[in-house]
Amino acid sequence: NAGVTQTPKFRVLKTGQSMTLLCAQDMNHEYMYWYRQDPGMGLRLIHYSVGEGTTAKGEVPDGYNVSRLKKQNFLLGLESAAPSQTSVYFCASSEHKAGGLTDTQYFGPGTRLTVL
Amino acid sequence: AQSVAQPEDQVNVAEGNPLTVKCTYSVSGNPYLFWYVQYPNRGLQFLLKYITGDNLVKGSYGFEAEFNKSQTSFHLKKPSALVSDSALYFCAVRDWGATGRRALTFGSGTRLQVQP
Repeated sequence: NAGVTQTPKFRVLKTGQSMTLLCAQDMNHEYMYWYRQDPGMGLRLIHYSVGEGTTAKGEVPDGYNVSRLKKQNFLLGLESAAPSQTSVYFCASSEHKAGGLTDTQYFGPGTRLTVL
Repeated sequence: AQSVAQPEDQVNVAEGNPLTVKCTYSVSGNPYLFWYVQYPNRGLQFLLKYITGDNLVKGSYGFEAEFNKSQTSFHLKKPSALVSDSALYFCAVRDWGATGRRALTFGSGTRLQVQP
């Protein structure tokens, strides 16, 4: 049981290049999320998904796209990278049950992205 | 909209002394509150959560947190700090915004330094 995994761990891009970050979870969780972490700002929600085939925008979605073609995978894409997207990206997943008892999110190890 | 404030960027404590990391929140719905810890170059690890019930919540690694509704606070505590507790700590509150979102809103984080 690997939990939540992210690929790649590190990446350096030039401005304008594109890339896709992959998140995979083996806990059969319905909900998946992409956050970015910047110094002094905590984590901010980029996009999220409440189930296979569904995605929605979070607080900072501009410049990113996502897809959830399979329940276990959640992809984050940058079509044209900008220096402002230099950050650490975290994926998380959680179950879907009423009452909040399963709102605990489980995080991947992160992807450190630098855009030059 | 919900928000979380962690008023201290850094907390310093001597090993063996009690520690407190402060968190206050603002939320329109029920306050589902979480604490996560992040070690260097790692993802976030779940420590504990308050959903309902007893105001004193016990979690991993000897940590506990006290929920205070009147003060809208959820401070993290440990009776005796260890050097290995040195890390970045995040308080978070469950998002009651868009239907089905269930994301977390995070504070900016507090760095805990435990001196030997």
